[in-house]
Amino acid sequence: DAGITQSPRYKITETGRQVTLMCHQTWSHSYMFWYRQDLGHGLRLIYYSAAADITDKGEVPDGYVVSRSKTENFPLTLESATRSQTSVYFCASSRADRGGNQPQHFGDGTRLSIL
Amino acid sequence: KNEVEQSPQNLTAQEGEFITINCSYSVGISALHWLQQHPGGGIVSLFMLSSGKKKHGRLIATINIQEKHSSLHITASHPRDSAVYICAVKRIGGSEKLVFGKGTKLTVNP
Repeated sequence: DAGITQSPRYKITETGRQVTLMCHQTWSHSYMFWYRQDLGHGLRLIYYSAAADITDKGEVPDGYVVSRSKTENFPLTLESATRSQTSVYFCASSRADRGGNQPQHFGDGTRLSIL
Repeated sequence: KNEVEQSPQNLTAQEGEFITINCSYSVGISALHWLQQHPGGGIVSLFMLSSGKKKHGRLIATINIQEKHSSLHITASHPRDSAVYICAVKRIGGSEKLVFGKGTKLTVNP
């Protein structure tokens, strides 16, 4: 039961660099999500995906790019990192349910620092 | 105003005390989630509610749909319950997206 894994766990990079955060789940869940967590804001949705090749913006998508060519992977790319993107990033997944009552399962997070 | 408000923001208790964390929301929802995050740790789903009450061990979650309010109770609190507790709601018609409260930081002292 591998679940949902994020990599790397910690990353330090410089302003202007491109960085990709990886997320992999083994449950074949339809939905996947990327959140950032910052003091004073709680969790905020960056992007989500309802299925392979279907992605949509969340609350704070600017500066981020996602793709979902395979159901199990949902990478998040910062094309040109800025200091304001220093944060803890969480990936999550859930099954599709017409009733909308499926829990989300979270990865352990990636702590990203941009200098 | 945030769509999901939690209170209190911070809570300190002595071991053994009964604890209540509150969550109010302002939108129509199909479900409400309670999540737990330990310091430096990942996020775990505790409960998902659309009505009534659920119990798991020492944790009890209730929801009042008419009043748009939910509570998370911890009975006989223990230092290992120290964590941030997060309320999140799934809006009606909002697909699988969740809207999160800012969390309540609970510290239980021995």
